[in-house]
Amino acid sequence: QSALTQPASVSGSPGQSITISCTGTSSDVGGYNYVSWYQQHPGKAPKLMIYDVSNRPSGVSNRFSGSKSGNTASLTISGLQAEDEADYYCSSYTSSSTPVFGGGTKLTVL
Amino acid sequence: QLQLQESGPGLVKPSETLSLTCTVSGGSISSSSYYWGWIRQPPGKGLEWIGSIYYSGSTYYNPSLKSRVTISVDTSKNQFSLKLSSVTAADTAVYYCARLPGTIFGVVIIYYYMDVWGKGTTVTVSS
Repeated sequence: QSALTQPASVSGSPGQSITISCTGTSSDVGGYNYVSWYQQHPGKAPKLMIYDVSNRPSGVSNRFSGSKSGNTASLTISGLQAEDEADYYCSSYTSSSTPVFGGGTKLTVL
Repeated sequence: QLQLQESGPGLVKPSETLSLTCTVSGGSISSSSYYWGWIRQPPGKGLEWIGSIYYSGSTYYNPSLKSRVTISVDTSKNQFSLKLSSVTAADTAVYYCARLPGTIFGVVIIYYYMDVWGKGTTVTVSS
């Protein structure tokens, strides 16, 4: 199973919105509505932000939203804040009944 | 509040077997609603799913690691463990354990996302 494709980096100014893409194939992202997103600050464990494409766990800000079209899933962060600066990883269920992660995207808040 | 804690040697010699344990507290590993998994992250790199286990012992492994990985569970101790054999420097990473909730997929339940993570433990492979 190959890793999902994410941009290496994205950036935005406070208050703006940014979108991180996650591209896979029909055997993973495109084949199932089972995509999750994780936020990871330096030296910390990942934190679940989105599951099942667009569901937010309790306690996650509604500034975070997820969507999917075809083989590409997206994470949008609106009203960007300084504390959103982190690495973000997508993950998808696959036809092998196992999950696969994306390569990660570094978000910089300017 | 559920907590997961990884433990094990921080240094392993090449060709030997890496062994880690994850202790679950604040909840039962025997819950029918969850799988329990291992994920790793090499220095400066992304996340890699290693494998997952159910309390009954049913397992799923990453195909790229399957020949070297064994995940087991000890319900009496509320723990699950990872063994990775024939390690090389490429296995140097932070190793995380995590909980995987079930998601209904038609008539089956799948486990693909991680909602609770341990803090991680660093394992270095070096002589």
